[in-house]
Amino acid sequence: DADVTQTPRNRITKTGKRIMLECSQTKGHDRMYWYRQDPGLGLRLIYYSFDVKDINKGEISDGYSVSRQAQAKFSLSLESAIPNQTALYFCATSDFPTGGDEQFFGPGTRLTVL
Amino acid sequence: QKEVEQDPGPLSVPEGAIVSLNCTYSNSAFQYFMWYRQYSRKGPELLMYTYSSGNKEDGRFTAQVDKSSKYISLFIRDSQPSDSATYLCAMSARTGRRALTFGSGTRLQVQP
Repeated sequence: DADVTQTPRNRITKTGKRIMLECSQTKGHDRMYWYRQDPGLGLRLIYYSFDVKDINKGEISDGYSVSRQAQAKFSLSLESAIPNQTALYFCATSDFPTGGDEQFFGPGTRLTVL
Repeated sequence: QKEVEQDPGPLSVPEGAIVSLNCTYSNSAFQYFMWYRQYSRKGPELLMYTYSSGNKEDGRFTAQVDKSSKYISLFIRDSQPSDSATYLCAMSARTGRRALTFGSGTRLQVQP
């Protein structure tokens, strides 16, 4: 979905490196989310933000941090990457309450930590 | 135990078959139910959204919710090769932060 973009699309890094994944949206939605997807585990929520000043931990926030630079931008950082953070990462937005609970996803970033 | 359980598959069916995909959940606070479709190397996209028990139909797709049994289903009629994807159920509570809880996804392959 071109309305939610993620950079980079693929990244290979080494253990201990700091890495940032970026998400931008043109939908004008206030709510933004970061998920990771692992085989057999589905999508798990890392962090979510209801507006620039409202940031919350999800179910698996350890080892991650986020920054909401503007309504349209939400970045995820791995301070010191480790191999079990190898996964597919998705950013999503929603227009709750106007749009209900529907979330719109970006194309994902495939991260490999060696 | 996971809040949402979904059979991971893979499920392989011939073109034209009726497909049934299912999820069970344990949290009685869940009131809103969704099905997302995810093609390979793409983000999930919303397919169906419902909040009441019963059936909701959209073309070849029917979403069914049974809150008393904590069970939801997605039926695909006249399945097509283009339906080959991973299907994820998702649900949220009426109150609180309204974050989605996803099932693990079922991979479907429709053979021509």
